[in-house]
Amino acid sequence: DVKVTQSSRYLVKRTGEKVFLECVQDMDHENMFWYRQDPGLGLRLIYFSYDVKMKEKGDIPEGYSVSREKKERFSLILESASTNQTSMYLCASSLFGVGSYEQYFGPGTRLTVT
Amino acid sequence: DQQVKQNSPSLSVQEGRISILNCDYTNSMFDYFLWYKKYPAEGPTFLISISSIKDKNEDGRFTVFLNKSAKHLSLHIVPSQPGDSAVYFCAASEIEGEDKIIFGKGTRLHILP
Repeated sequence: DVKVTQSSRYLVKRTGEKVFLECVQDMDHENMFWYRQDPGLGLRLIYFSYDVKMKEKGDIPEGYSVSREKKERFSLILESASTNQTSMYLCASSLFGVGSYEQYFGPGTRLTVT
Repeated sequence: DQQVKQNSPSLSVQEGRISILNCDYTNSMFDYFLWYKKYPAEGPTFLISISSIKDKNEDGRFTVFLNKSAKHLSLHIVPSQPGDSAVYFCAASEIEGEDKIIFGKGTRLHILP
């Protein structure tokens, strides 16, 4: 069974704080992804990574950065949290390569920035 | 510019009847399509997929139909059950492209008793 875990289910932070969201997968997947989900906007890709030390911008990378120091771990960083970053954050992982498009998601972190 | 569109934000269906969720796409390079189901406070879970070489894929109560000429796919759930109440996301990707998938905005399905 694929397991994707996220460090927190709920998080409340203040405007301007630096926020770290951690994601760990145990299936040796090469690909990892960070999304945010907002009502009426669906799932939007923030960043993704094909391998350790590698990162690619998704559709909405502004205000975020990521770190992938180990294959199993992908961190999302909000350098200076703002209220418009209040959202549900979802991490996912998948195998690399043709035909391996099924992504496995973590339970999500609901972040509130006040 | 939405590449994957789910035009119905919500849908209500009587228990035992057929639920039909629709999805349109604009990128003709997409050749692999997926449906995900999401309950509140949980991550999405993969439901069913279809590649562009097929026009139908069935898995138990779930069937996905693909109409490439119309750039349209649909998910049929028969019979609908209370546990099917969730948000359903349509997603698409290019097999030869990057390993990422593009999601629609989702359709909230309510199964009525």
